[in-house]
Amino acid sequence: DIVMTQTPLSLSVTPGQPASISCKSSQSLLHSDGKTYLYWYLQKPGQSPQLLIYEVSNRFSGVPDRFSGSGSGTDFTLKISRVEAEDVGVYYCMQSIQPLQFTFGPGTKVDIK
Amino acid sequence: EVQLVESGGGLVQPGGSLRLSCAASGFTVSSNYMSWVRQAPGKGLEWVSVIYSGGSTYYADSVKGRFTISRHNSKNTLYLQMNSLRAEDTAVYYCARVYCSSTSCYAGRGLYFDYWGQGTLVTVSS
Repeated sequence: DIVMTQTPLSLSVTPGQPASISCKSSQSLLHSDGKTYLYWYLQKPGQSPQLLIYEVSNRFSGVPDRFSGSGSGTDFTLKISRVEAEDVGVYYCMQSIQPLQFTFGPGTKVDIK
Repeated sequence: EVQLVESGGGLVQPGGSLRLSCAASGFTVSSNYMSWVRQAPGKGLEWVSVIYSGGSTYYADSVKGRFTISRHNSKNTLYLQMNSLRAEDTAVYYCARVYCSSTSCYAGRGLYFDYWGQGTLVTVSS
């Protein structure tokens, strides 16, 4: 089974400053169809998770452009160009290259300094 | 607007049963893949089950043989029947619509959760 790891597990950011979260998978998430099956979710306090990024770098509908995703193979990064107060919560990466083996990372908790 | 509203959670004794419901609006449940994902208190996210638009169903090993996912097409509602509940099943259960962008959706590759409900808490305790 693929194992997803995230660093850091906790991050405190000053509003207006950038933030970066790393996600690594134990196997490549690049499929022979050319797609890389890596996703990012944000779970705000007391809320359900919401999709931010699909297939490494595609922002989901309504997601602000201060969020960006990058990476390839086994190493991925979510960046927030200028953190806002509403961005606090836990960020999860997830893979779905293994059939019916949705694996989430442990989560990175982001709060405001 | 896509909306998912779960209900049916509560306190149940070990070995007991519970049925969760997820009422959908803004799209047709039977035309989509749908899933249940759970989150134990203070823990991360764990996929539980998926039902394909064609009706095929799949489960995480941790619930296989105990949980059953189903849908009622005319009510546009997703269900999760949970039997033989254990303390480790205690969690918030989210229903989620599943999107697939791969060419092998049937194989379960390239699926992801694009819309989530607010969740319903299931507590298994004596």
